[in-house]
Amino acid sequence: EVRLVQSGAEAKKPGESLKISCKASGYSFGDSWIGWVRQMPGKGLEWMGIIYPGDSDTRYSPSFRGQVTISADKSTGTTYLQWRTLKPSDTAMYFCARERIFDYWGQGTLVTVSS
Amino acid sequence: EIVLTQSPGTLSLSPGERATLSCRASQSVTSNYLAWYQQKPGQSPRLLIYGASSRATGISDRFSGSGSGTDFTLTISRLEPEDFAMYHCQQYGSSPQTFGQGTKVEIK
Repeated sequence: EVRLVQSGAEAKKPGESLKISCKASGYSFGDSWIGWVRQMPGKGLEWMGIIYPGDSDTRYSPSFRGQVTISADKSTGTTYLQWRTLKPSDTAMYFCARERIFDYWGQGTLVTVSS
Repeated sequence: EIVLTQSPGTLSLSPGERATLSCRASQSVTSNYLAWYQQKPGQSPRLLIYGASSRATGISDRFSGSGSGTDFTLTISRLEPEDFAMYHCQQYGSSPQTFGQGTKVEIK
């Protein structure tokens, strides 16, 4: 059974850094893309970027390039989404999902950034 | 970047009625790589349709997708109570992939 399990909710202050995770199981991790999607409160879905763990090929949306870093650890089957400097506007639910057609999704990680 | 525009923003219908949702792209979607997702409050999205018209595993045949190029449609033939939700379209044919802003199907 394919599963994507994301790390828990985070409450951070502006200017802090953060790394959230998405652990995959039930399939060959290196053979499928994993993407990240943002959903701000009450809003639609935004495609942030995607990584192919097999060779770490990573693509970003222009809206998110330079703002976040996507990485993957093949040894643990885990993909990461990282911020160096959080802003209140980063407050959102973040989902990971498998493949370009996003056939399986994680449960989401709520990130709240507030002073 | 391909911009996807979904219409209407909200669709108010009764159970048993037919729902027709539109997704229009600002330029042609490569190989009709267009997907539809359903999202209920507090849940992750669920893949319904990919390749514009192929149903994902386990999806009811009440859901059908059609279209090509820049105009795509999701049809729900007879609305069941569990179908009232938000629906998102996504193009995955070119990078960056993009989503539409969503259509809410609500009970009339």
